[in-house]
Amino acid sequence: AQSVAQPEDQVNVAEGNPLTVKCTYSVSGNPYLFWYVQYPNRGLQFLLKYITGDNLVKGSYGFEAEFNKSQTSFHLKKPSALVSDSALYFCAVRPTGGDDKIIFGKGTRLHILP
Amino acid sequence: DAGITQSPRHKVTETGTPVTLRCHQTENHRYMYWYRQDPGHGLRLIHYSYGVKDTDKGEVSDGYSVSRSKTEDFLLTLESATSSQTSVYFCAISERSGGTIYFGEGSWLTVV
Repeated sequence: AQSVAQPEDQVNVAEGNPLTVKCTYSVSGNPYLFWYVQYPNRGLQFLLKYITGDNLVKGSYGFEAEFNKSQTSFHLKKPSALVSDSALYFCAVRPTGGDDKIIFGKGTRLHILP
Repeated sequence: DAGITQSPRHKVTETGTPVTLRCHQTENHRYMYWYRQDPGHGLRLIHYSYGVKDTDKGEVSDGYSVSRSKTEDFLLTLESATSSQTSVYFCAISERSGGTIYFGEGSWLTVV
């Protein structure tokens, strides 16, 4: 079955430190990959996506993500965390060659500690 | 922000009553989606539409129906609401297949 895994329910990082939110996937073909962020009582906001090309994708708010085909991973990163980065982060994948459905991970709550 | 409006934003209803949630977009995007978000489950697709009158089921479609009579409107109906349908419902849109999807602000539904 096609799936997306976010192995950490919660990640705690001190402000100013680098952060990583992990995502792995199990889908056929060459998928499209996405990261979204959700603040309390809000909808999901698009951060970045990978379709093809450079494995390092840059997105909004200083976030970037690294696509690793051999490890089927798409980890979200930021060099220096801000308290305002505290939110719920979702990884999503759209398998290619199939229907139009996008599969979401269960989310990782990121806490940035002052 | 993408031009997506969900209504109502908050609703409390009784078990067994029908409920309709509306999603309205001003982007003229072809694809529209309804998701539900529950703790421990992330987002799960209920139904989606790939054009006017063209819809398909998602992974949790039981107990839900949808309609899309115009490009801009996508309605989600709970035919007979149950407590298990208490959730936050998100509408989303996408211009094309495989494109980035953009979300509305959500509709909080409580079934008592």
